[in-house]
Amino acid sequence: KQEVTQIPAALSVPEGENLVLNCSFTDSAIYNLQWFRQDPGKGLTSLLLIQSSQREQTSGRLNASLDKSSGRSTLYIAASQPGDSATYLCAVQGGSEKLVFGKGTKLTVNP
Amino acid sequence: DAGVIQSPRHEVTEMGQEVTLRCKPISGHNSLFWYRQTMMRGLELLIYFNNNVPIDDSGMPEDRFSAKMPNASFSTLKIQPSEPRDSAVYFCASSWGGAQGHGYTFGSGTRLTVV
Repeated sequence: KQEVTQIPAALSVPEGENLVLNCSFTDSAIYNLQWFRQDPGKGLTSLLLIQSSQREQTSGRLNASLDKSSGRSTLYIAASQPGDSATYLCAVQGGSEKLVFGKGTKLTVNP
Repeated sequence: DAGVIQSPRHEVTEMGQEVTLRCKPISGHNSLFWYRQTMMRGLELLIYFNNNVPIDDSGMPEDRFSAKMPNASFSTLKIQPSEPRDSAVYFCASSWGGAQGHGYTFGSGTRLTVV
């Protein structure tokens, strides 16, 4: 059974800092990995999707990497801003269409 | 595109009542998913459909829960009878591309409170 772990559970940083969120998964047989953002009381917004054949994806100040063999992914946020404050969720898709989620990292960026 | 549309946004009901949650997926998407989110357990998949057919309902907690997808543009999740422990946020998501993985789009969720 696939399990996804995100560390740390919460992170607080000053504005402008570069930061890394970590995600690990137990079964490396995945089709893709997706990072989402969730604001309080809101739904999930897809940030980046990395196919299993890819190593990384970039969107603006966000960069996500994938090391399938070691079961790890990182989300790098450059020059963090208060508007980046949210919960970031990592999810993997395996042999079926199901996404298995981690419990997220709650990020607070202080002005 | 209006995205995945869920209704209602909030639902407060008394224990024992029937609750029906609704979802309209993105046009052209052939898979639909129902997830439940709680503080304790995070996001859990309840059931998913592909081409309107239920594929995996192993996440449905018990017989009180049922889901239907009568056509490609509509799905319901029903809880009967509802219990306080069903209180959670229920998300619907849709995708296309099957196992090749072309990404999910989530709705805004229905916050259910059973008192």
